Amino acid sequence: LAKTTQPISMDSYEGQEVNITCSHNNIATNDYITWYQQFPSQGPRFIIQGYKTKVTNEVASLFIPADRKSSTLSLPRVSLSDTAVYYCLVGDNRDDKIIFGKGTRLHILP
Amino acid sequence: EAGVTQFPSHSVIEKGQTVTLRCDPISGHDNLYWYRRVMGKEIKFLLHFVKESKQDESGMPNNRFLAERTGGTYSTLKVQPAELEDSGVYFCASSQDRGSRTEAFFGQGTRLTVV
Repeated sequence: LAKTTQPISMDSYEGQEVNITCSHNNIATNDYITWYQQFPSQGPRFIIQGYKTKVTNEVASLFIPADRKSSTLSLPRVSLSDTAVYYCLVGDNRDDKIIFGKGTRLHILP
Repeated sequence: EAGVTQFPSHSVIEKGQTVTLRCDPISGHDNLYWYRRVMGKEIKFLLHFVKESKQDESGMPNNRFLAERTGGTYSTLKVQPAELEDSGVYFCASSQDRGSRTEAFFGQGTRLTVV
């Protein structure tokens, strides 16, 4: 599994756009990039996955440059309820299990 | 459709006692995973079932931990005897297909406190 590096924590204010960047310099050709979100006292929850360029869903957008060595999770107009830990994962289905890193602890301020 | 459910949500036991955690995966999901997060540490993989078979149990800490998945439905994780360092949150997850590319659905977790 490719190793990922992401900020330990971030603070932002309500209504702002938040971008969390993840580095994965050793990403392999078959690897996909997946982000999970974990609220306090809950299990992680899948939010978005991509291979290249841009992916958008109702929760977030995922930007992946051409070299795929990094990716950016973008949360538009965050609210207090977006306070959570966000995990960036890289792998493909040859990897049987999800390996979690430290994640980014996002704290949204009023 | 019900998600992944775990019982109990919280358990406090004394050192030396036995505790059994239960996980009910999403119906039809052959893949079931157990994870654990000890306070201040990362979420760590414990083991992976495909139906009733243990596919990978490389993350199990020691032989005080026993996981079963009879009939390929719900799973139990027994800790016997419990030690102080076993305290943490135990998460169960299930997925339709295997692999880290596949969306995994996690339960709320069981918070285990050993005193």
